[in-house]
Amino acid sequence: EDKVVQSPLSLVVHEGDTVTLNCSYEVTNFRSLLWYKQEKKAPTFLFMLTSSGIEKKSGRLSSILDKKELFSILNITATQTGDSAVYLCAVEKRSNYQLIWGAGTKLIIKP
Amino acid sequence: DVKVTQSSRYLVKRTGEKVFLECVQDMDHENMFWYRQDPGLGLRLIYFSYDVKMKEKGDIPEGYSVSREKKERFSLILESASTNQTSMYLCASSFQYTEAFFGQGTRLTVV
Repeated sequence: EDKVVQSPLSLVVHEGDTVTLNCSYEVTNFRSLLWYKQEKKAPTFLFMLTSSGIEKKSGRLSSILDKKELFSILNITATQTGDSAVYLCAVEKRSNYQLIWGAGTKLIIKP
Repeated sequence: DVKVTQSSRYLVKRTGEKVFLECVQDMDHENMFWYRQDPGLGLRLIYFSYDVKMKEKGDIPEGYSVSREKKERFSLILESASTNQTSMYLCASSFQYTEAFFGQGTRLTVV
């Protein structure tokens, strides 16, 4: 059975801290792994990762994929209150482009 | 063995009824969560609590409320059940920085 597991499920940190969010997966016909940020509305896309070991970076956020160990991490440095959100990881299957979702990590940044 | 127990596996309620879903964990976890899971939509967070009497809205809090008077118990309340609240409801708990443990789920049907 395909599954995507995110950890931790929740995290409460102070502004300025660095956080690392984890996503592990067991999915047949892997195509890509995606990270989304979800605040009050629909998830907004952050990264798509298809190759191992290549870091994707956008401002204070970065992510990397390990296809051998079947996981990805999302790093956020110098966190701000605006980073408070649920971060979702999903794996796209090659066979039918289906997205298998993790449960998400609820990140709360305290001022 | 971590145990997260939901009060009912199956529940059938009438439209307009007030519904209580109870969740108890025995591992002294700080964090507790209520999700609903619908086909094609994955897991959606309803409410989350990181401490006694603390609660945070998730993605879909409308029509729901929660109560966490004791650390081990997290209750989900449907104030006036509607047919669109027919779903599988999942409770989970965790320590900070660790994986979450889920209850067995409550399949609620509102008729």
